[in-house]
Amino acid sequence: EIVLTQSPATLSLSPGERATLSCRASQSVSSFLAWYQQKPGQAPRLLIYGASNRATGIPARFGGSGSGTDFTLTISSLEPEDFAVYYCQQRSSSITFGQGTRLEIK
Amino acid sequence: EVQLVESGGGLVQPGGSLRLSCAASGFTFSSYWMSWVRQAPGKGLEWVANIKEDGSEKYYVDSVKGRFTISRDNAKNSLYLQMNSLRAGDTAVYHCARALLWLGELVSFDYWGQGTLVTVSS
Repeated sequence: EIVLTQSPATLSLSPGERATLSCRASQSVSSFLAWYQQKPGQAPRLLIYGASNRATGIPARFGGSGSGTDFTLTISSLEPEDFAVYYCQQRSSSITFGQGTRLEIK
Repeated sequence: EVQLVESGGGLVQPGGSLRLSCAASGFTFSSYWMSWVRQAPGKGLEWVANIKEDGSEKYYVDSVKGRFTISRDNAKNSLYLQMNSLRAGDTAVYHCARALLWLGELVSFDYWGQGTLVTVSS
């Protein structure tokens, strides 16, 4: 099973700042990496698929990069609605999710 | 507008069974792989099962193989999850999700339902 490790576990930032979230895979997943946002009491929302492709309706401030084992989700300038939990997910071998990064307001 | 609405959750004793349903609307259901993804209370996401557009292929996470069965009825735009021999560790919110294909591969889930809570406890 491919294990995805997200860091940091919690990220404290202020609106307007740049957020950088990391996801590392235990073995290569090529570009089969997605990112989701989840707010309390809500279903997850797909942000990025194929490591760098924004899903339909996702604002341009969300960007994904990486390939192989190291991936990054960048939010260029945080809006108040961006504070949530973020998960990465791979589909190279079966399907697994990372444990999540909580992005909180500083 | 794509909508996925789950139902069928509830409290069940260990060893019991439950059948979840997901009603889909707003898209051509028969043209999409569909999935179930669960989330234990306060925990992260765990993929459970996938089913191909015509139901001819099904895949499961190891922890539910032999106990859970995913199925679909394209005439009714509905997805199902039959859960048998339930354990405390199966307690979670179960989300129905539409699969996104990229480069011919199922890579992620682009629409999700709100989920239905399954609690396994005596």
